[in-house]
Amino acid sequence: EDQVTQSPEALRLQEGESSSLNCSYTVSGLRGLFWYRQDPGKGPEFLFTLYSAGEEKEKERLKATLTKKESFLHITAPKPEDSATYLCAVQEGDSWGKLQFGAGTQVVVTP
Amino acid sequence: DADVTQTPRNRITKTGKRIMLECSQTKGHDRMYWYRQDPGLGLRLIYYSFDVKDINKGEISDGYSVSRQAQAKFSLSLESAIPNQTALYFCATSDLRADTQYFGPGTRLTVL
Repeated sequence: EDQVTQSPEALRLQEGESSSLNCSYTVSGLRGLFWYRQDPGKGPEFLFTLYSAGEEKEKERLKATLTKKESFLHITAPKPEDSATYLCAVQEGDSWGKLQFGAGTQVVVTP
Repeated sequence: DADVTQTPRNRITKTGKRIMLECSQTKGHDRMYWYRQDPGLGLRLIYYSFDVKDINKGEISDGYSVSRQAQAKFSLSLESAIPNQTALYFCATSDLRADTQYFGPGTRLTVL
């Protein structure tokens, strides 16, 4: 069965303490991998799409990378406003728009 | 104004009641989706629609139905609500030329 697994489930960081979140997937024929940020009580907010192994995308303190079996979201020198749940989702090649989500990583950045 | 809106934002109802959640979008996207989110679980797809005449079941469609009234409107109905349908419900849209989905603010539904 196709799976998307995110680790760790929760991460507590000091402001400025860089770290990485992991998203591993087992879908066959990846069409795209998506990262979203979700704040409490709000809908997921799109961050990045990655399509092929070796691809990297950056936005402010966030950098997403992709290999054949996993993706990493690197948070460099995080600030308290980076606190959120980060969701990973994959789209299989023939799934026509359907996304399969992981359970997310809850990140808390303390001053 | 938000591109994807959902109404109501919060709803408390009783077992057996019929409930409708509504989604509207101003992004001009053809594709619309309904997901539910439960604590500790990822978002799970309930139904999706690629245009007004195209409706498809997702991963967890039992107990739900949908209606695509127009390109911009997609409604989710619970014909007879039950407590395990208590969850956060999100609507999303995407353009047929791109894969990225954009989400609404969500509806928190509680079934007593």
